[in-house]
Amino acid sequence: EDKVVQSPLSLVVHEGDTVTLNCSYEVTNFRSLLWYKQEKKAPTFLFMLTSSGIEKKSGRLSSILDKKELSSILNITATQTGDSAIYLCACSGGTSYGKLTFGQGTILTVHP
Amino acid sequence: DGGITQSPKYLFRKEGQNVTLSCEQNLNHDAMYWYRQDPGQGLRLIYYSQIVNDFQKGDIAEGYSVSREKKESFPLTVTSAQKNPTAFYLCASSTPGLNTGELFFGEGSRLTVL
Repeated sequence: EDKVVQSPLSLVVHEGDTVTLNCSYEVTNFRSLLWYKQEKKAPTFLFMLTSSGIEKKSGRLSSILDKKELSSILNITATQTGDSAIYLCACSGGTSYGKLTFGQGTILTVHP
Repeated sequence: DGGITQSPKYLFRKEGQNVTLSCEQNLNHDAMYWYRQDPGQGLRLIYYSQIVNDFQKGDIAEGYSVSREKKESFPLTVTSAQKNPTAFYLCASSTPGLNTGELFFGEGSRLTVL
C-alpha cells in the first residue's frame, strides 16, 4: 500500500520566519511528487517534482526531491500571513495517471 | 472560465438518507476523482474514472457510488451504508496530456449528517 507522511502536522510561526515542511513517501513505481496549498476550500497546485526535475522554485517557495531518501521538503522564506494554509504533499505512481496518494497535510499558521 | 463546479457547497442530511453531490467540469479532462477530507487525515480517494462509462474504487469506496455517463459529469452518491459520512468532499479532474499527475480541484462540498 502506498504511503505518504508529512511532518510536522502543524506549525506556528511569525511573519518573516523561514519554515521547512517535510514529506516522505513509499510509493510503488513512483512517478512524481506534488505540493498543494489549501487555504479555504480547493487545493491549488504549487510544484511537481520528478526524477528528471528534483528542484523547483517560485518566489519565496522552493522544493527539493531527495530520491535516495524518498522524501521532499518545501521551504517558505520570509513568511507572510497569506502563507497560512494547509500544505498537502501527494505522490503518483503506477499506471493510473492523476491517481494521487496524499499525506495528512501540514497546517501552517503565520502570525503578524 | 474553465473549471470544476461542485454543488451544493453545504448539505445537511438525516441519518438513513442518501445524498448526491454534483461535480461538473468544462476543462475537457478525461479523468475525474472524488476525495474525502477529514481533519488530520489529508485526502483519501473514494472513486475515480479515467473514461466515460468506466470507474474504479479508490481506497474508501464502501458506502459510496458514482456514475460517469458524460465526460463533464461525475456525481457521487453517499448512501445510508456509509457509517460516518460527515466530511468535506472534493472533486478533481486531470488529463494525461499534462503528463504531470496534477489535479484540478473544485471548491468542495461539506456534508453534515444530523
